[in-house]
Amino acid sequence: NAGVTQTPKFRVLKTGQSMTLLCAQDMNHEYMYWYRQDPGMGLRLIHYSVGEGTTAKGEVPDGYNVSRLKKQNFLLGLESAAPSQTSVYFCASSYSPGQPETREAFFGQGTRLTVV
Amino acid sequence: DAKTTQPPSMDCAEGRAANLPCNHSTISGNEYVYWYRQIHSQGPQYIIHGLKNNETNEMASLIITEDRKSSTLILPHATLRDTAVYYCIVRAFDRGSTLGRLYFGRGTQLTVWP
Repeated sequence: NAGVTQTPKFRVLKTGQSMTLLCAQDMNHEYMYWYRQDPGMGLRLIHYSVGEGTTAKGEVPDGYNVSRLKKQNFLLGLESAAPSQTSVYFCASSYSPGQPETREAFFGQGTRLTVV
Repeated sequence: DAKTTQPPSMDCAEGRAANLPCNHSTISGNEYVYWYRQIHSQGPQYIIHGLKNNETNEMASLIITEDRKSSTLILPHATLRDTAVYYCIVRAFDRGSTLGRLYFGRGTQLTVWP
């Protein structure tokens, strides 16, 4: 049981390049989340999804797009990367139908992105 | 909107109880209190959660005040491996616009010393 898997684990981008971060979960979770974490800061919610085909903005959505075409995958896209997007990105998922909705969220191990 | 206030840092001697406070004075009746921790730069790890009753599991105890405006996470016998950032989160499960939201604040850096 892999849980939440993030791909890639590390990446260096040049300003203006685009990339997609992939989050995959094998727990049949409905809810999925993308966070960013900067040095000395807590996690800030970028976008989230409460089901396949649905997405919503979090605290810091600007410069990012997301898609949830399949229930098990949540993609985070950077169309034109900027140095301000240098950060560690975490994906999370929670809530399986049939289980209490209050059960905990599970996190991936992070993607370290540097934009130069 | 994290809706919680925590001290930025605390320390504790190994083997002693670590008591981490959290203020959530604007908590609503349908909001739960969750605690997570983050060791180094790993993904956050769930610890415990509760609504209004005190809770205990193999990792910690959660004490929620009667008015639910604050809570305390207790690690009964802290070890060096408990050194981490601890996050207190409030979360609603209604079917309105806040459905699914899970906001973190800056947390408390707990340092356990030998």
